[in-house]
Amino acid sequence: IAGITQAPTSQILAAGRRMTLRCTQDMRHNAMYWYRQDLGLGLRLIHYSNTAGTTGKGEVPDGYSVSRANTDDFPLTLASAVPSQTSVYFCASSARRGGNEQFFGPGTRLTVL
Amino acid sequence: QKEVEQDPGPLSVPEGAIVSLNCTYSNSAFQYFMWYRQYSRKGPELLMYTYSSGNKEDGRFTAQVDKSSKYISLFIRDSQPSDSATYLCAMSAMYSGGGADGLTFGKGTHLIIQP
Repeated sequence: IAGITQAPTSQILAAGRRMTLRCTQDMRHNAMYWYRQDLGLGLRLIHYSNTAGTTGKGEVPDGYSVSRANTDDFPLTLASAVPSQTSVYFCASSARRGGNEQFFGPGTRLTVL
Repeated sequence: QKEVEQDPGPLSVPEGAIVSLNCTYSNSAFQYFMWYRQYSRKGPELLMYTYSSGNKEDGRFTAQVDKSSKYISLFIRDSQPSDSATYLCAMSAMYSGGGADGLTFGKGTHLIIQP
């Protein structure tokens, strides 16, 4: 089934630990994105990648890093998790950068204690 | 002022009613407008995608964009209990060669269709 998969589905993490959220798409989309969704704040862009080998910072990039070694995978890493990173994380992709429709994965629910 | 304003609701209407969901925005560079539906504990699902001003219809859903007023709407006809969800508006500027390329979202309106 074409689409975006994310792993894990949910995770409870101790503060200070390193965590990588995985995202894979099989639509051969060039652009990929990471958002976090928080109650009262909505969806906010963390990092994006317009094509394999390039990445950029979004609205709330601090404490997060990404890499884009190939077209399909776009992992998000929290180097040293803090409680304020408790959130639901969504990966998305679009065929091209800019105004194209973005398609979302099912999300990862992360709790940092 | 936030870039995109959306009433969080909840908006509760009886089954069969016409629903009107709206967003206003301040950035005149926005050219692409989308509506997403999000069920509880699920990812956003793209419903409608429009470019610039005008109307677009897809089944029971109609998206309307008025760039002069910086106002977009989503209408749902013959609403069903299965339409109960959070509806997010999202928008994007044209490709400019730089800057973040994610969407700017409204905070979502929680819609409840009463059977």
